[in-house]
Amino acid sequence: ETGVTQTPRHLVMGMTNKKSLKCEQHLGHNAMYWYKQSAKKPLELMFVYNFKEQTENNSVPSRFSPECPNSSHLFLHLHTLQPEDSALYLCASSHTTGGGVDDEQFFGPGTRLTVL
Amino acid sequence: SQKIEQNSEALNIQEGKTATLTCNYTNYSPAYLQWYRQDPGRGPVFLLLIRENEKEKRKERLKVTFDTTLKQSLFHITASQPADSATYLCALEDSWGKFQFGAGTQVVVTP
Repeated sequence: ETGVTQTPRHLVMGMTNKKSLKCEQHLGHNAMYWYKQSAKKPLELMFVYNFKEQTENNSVPSRFSPECPNSSHLFLHLHTLQPEDSALYLCASSHTTGGGVDDEQFFGPGTRLTVL
Repeated sequence: SQKIEQNSEALNIQEGKTATLTCNYTNYSPAYLQWYRQDPGRGPVFLLLIRENEKEKRKERLKVTFDTTLKQSLFHITASQPADSATYLCALEDSWGKFQFGAGTQVVVTP
């Protein structure tokens, strides 16, 4: 496989469930990102990892918990979500972070999450 | 606070014409500005990057301009085709690599 893959593509969960989103990149990049995209709103950056270390957390509620075991894999663990958390969750990767022409981001297809 | 504005109204354009999209920003000093294309149900795809010291960049039928005085970027699709129909996002990146996206403008090209 090439590029950035995400699983599952669709997820429906109740507010008491615990689930995880998975992202894998096959591009040899060192930086990975989680974004939330709600209808008619800009992409909201949630978390940034660079060389497996979290470098950015944009005041994301603790019910979202990221995990980056290595530079190729990124998880988003979900628990006790709210209906307003329903959105498209996008994973992206780039060569690195810190400013530069290599910071073009490659996105996965996203996970469409619905919280009932 | 930092703000990126893209026209929220869809741009309807006839095939063969030039589509022009705007991206305005305030309270931001971007080092780079990027444009992405997003199709429904899919992740954004990178199109072009322009640096703060560049005025214009071209790639095939795409042209981007960047005016740091006006705090504005224009994105042009020349000889537009129905396959160009999508939402186009601008993204600003500062010198420290901090990214911020606009909400995007939908383009609809009709035959």
